[in-house]
Amino acid sequence: QSVLTQPPSASGTPGQRVTISCSGIISNIGSNYVFWYQQLPGTAPKVLIYRNNQRPSGVPDRFSASKSGTSASLAISGLRSEDEADYYCAAWDDSLSGVIFGGGTKLTVL
Amino acid sequence: EVQLVQSGAEVKKPGESLRISCKGSAYSFTSYWISWVRQMPGKGLEWMGRIDPSDSYINYSPSFQGHVTISIDQSISTAYLQWSSLKASDTAMYYCARSDSTGFYPGDYWGQGTLVTVSS
Repeated sequence: QSVLTQPPSASGTPGQRVTISCSGIISNIGSNYVFWYQQLPGTAPKVLIYRNNQRPSGVPDRFSASKSGTSASLAISGLRSEDEADYYCAAWDDSLSGVIFGGGTKLTVL
Repeated sequence: EVQLVQSGAEVKKPGESLRISCKGSAYSFTSYWISWVRQMPGKGLEWMGRIDPSDSYINYSPSFQGHVTISIDQSISTAYLQWSSLKASDTAMYYCARSDSTGFYPGDYWGQGTLVTVSS
């Protein structure tokens, strides 16, 4: 059972904007950074967003993220077929003294 | 180029022991924590724990404490994940990842994954 809550699925057509939410509590998202990971089929996850809203080099600016209180969201604009993947949010949890992941959101590009 | 290279797939029987490895290269191995992440078949990511290669301090997820052992061999820049008695429910893909600069989060470099299959 994931402590961070994400919708299990999301979808959009090419060119659209899609958002994925991630809900937590004060001990995790409310107090610590949120990271977002993208996992393409059959591959290892990669960091898409770090420290709430920072993009690693090489990640297109179509990907953006924000955090407010105990929730965070990932936005993908100009949706492309290659964005079809699983997306996970993660945060350190002070009560558990560990990283917790959301359950993941499977993004389908229609 | 920074790399984390994991050991190959394993097929084991329940009750057997196992150690899988994760070898870092092209960076200062002792400067970044290593995390282990489990992904059961068709499921999401689960953080298992992390180790500081500089002093072998380990931080386990409560869900995995007592079930696995994380260790390090600085001399060969290698981290390990170990089981003393495998169960069928340990069947999963296991990833190692170098931490971000805070040391807390799996960061920008991940291993390719080690598939562990436990079946009688």
